[in-house]
Formats: sequence, C-alpha cells, structure tokens
Amino acid sequence: SQQGEEDPQALSIQEGENATMNCSYKTSINNLQWYRQNSGRGLVHLILIRSNEREKHSGRLRVTLDTSKKSSSLLITASRAADTASYFCATEETGSARQLTFGSGTQLTVLP
Amino acid sequence: KAGVTQTPRYLIKTRGQQVTLSCSPISGHRSVSWYQQTPGQGLQFLFEYFSETQRNKGNFPGRFSGRQFSNSRSEMNVSTLELGDSALYLCASSSPGQNLKNTEAFFGQGTRLTVV
Repeated sequence: SQQGEEDPQALSIQEGENATMNCSYKTSINNLQWYRQNSGRGLVHLILIRSNEREKHSGRLRVTLDTSKKSSSLLITASRAADTASYFCATEETGSARQLTFGSGTQLTVLP
Repeated sequence: KAGVTQTPRYLIKTRGQQVTLSCSPISGHRSVSWYQQTPGQGLQFLFEYFSETQRNKGNFPGRFSGRQFSNSRSEMNVSTLELGDSALYLCASSSPGQNLKNTEAFFGQGTRLTVV
C-alpha cells in the first residue's frame, strides 16, 4: 500500500520558475527520500533526509521535513525543461529498513 | 561504477506462463530490492534480499518469489501469470551502513512485463 499522498498530482510551470511539491505520510519513519522518474524509466535518487533533520539542500533542490505534521516538501529552484519528470517521495518506515513506501507522485512539466 | 542492470528490458508473456527477471546490483552492494509499478497501484515493494536472505516482504501473493546469489545478483520469478501482473518491475540496490538503514537506493531501468 502507499504511504501517503503527494500534492499536487500535476504541476506545470515556466522555465526559470520554482516548483514546490508536497508529500504526506502516515507512520513513524527512519528517513524520507525523493526520486525522479522520466517517462516510465528507472528512478533516480535525488536526496535523503533523516528523521532527525529538518532541512537539506543539494544543488537546486531543497527538502524540508516536519515529522510532527508527517509531511515533507521538495523545492526545485530555477527550473529547466530537463526537470520535466515525475517526482516521488518514499519513506523508510521505522522497523522496515531498506523497504521504501512510495507516494503517488507529482508530474512536473517545465515549459520552455 | 556500472549502475544497476536489469534484464530483459521488455518481455511479453501469455497468461499462465511463468517469468524470471534478473538484476545485477552495483558492485559491492549487498542489498537488492524489487518493486512493481502500475498505473493503478503505483510503486509497491515486493521484497528485499540482503546477503542471500530475504529480509523484507511486501503484500504480494506467493506467485511472486525471488532469490539472491552469492555475488549479490538477484532474480525475481512470477508463476502463473495474470493480466494484472503487467507492470514495470524495478530493482534497486543499496549498500547499508552498520545500522542497515538510512541508505539511498539506486534503481535500474526496469523490466516492462506485458501479460497477454
């Protein structure tokens, strides 16, 4: 079963704008991870944030985690057409090491 | 370093047949996980192998099975195929630290299985 929902389900923005995606989950977690998937291909790992961390940056990506609200957000700054993809959050639940539970995904389209 | 390799990339099978999918993890990675992705159910965890032992199992029927070899390569088998088994099957490898958690997973390109 899926851990939770991602919001929005689809997002369309212009190149150069920022994109924000949100993820909610239901249980206690070890960490939360974000992945990108291009057109039904393999998943590319973007960033991992541990349950005791609140914010993490990687290049143009910024991830926040609020364990009290069981939610996370992914911000992509200065988006590019190449960022067009589906983005998934995944949680490693406490007691289920190395087993990821994925959200439903956000389809991001960046228009040139 | 070579990435995770899944073979074959595409497969068409008939209902009732069985299929075996293969996954070669990144060199040195001892954990291999399998996921099923469908439009209706999304990404769902099948099972995880670590050092040749199944450590975690998702909520799938016994028709879905797997194994891991001493070189960490893994195979997944689905018997008595059903139309609903049509999906993208993704394999991921990771190199857990001492506490075996909090490790990123590296995914292969997947095997697209179509059951007709």
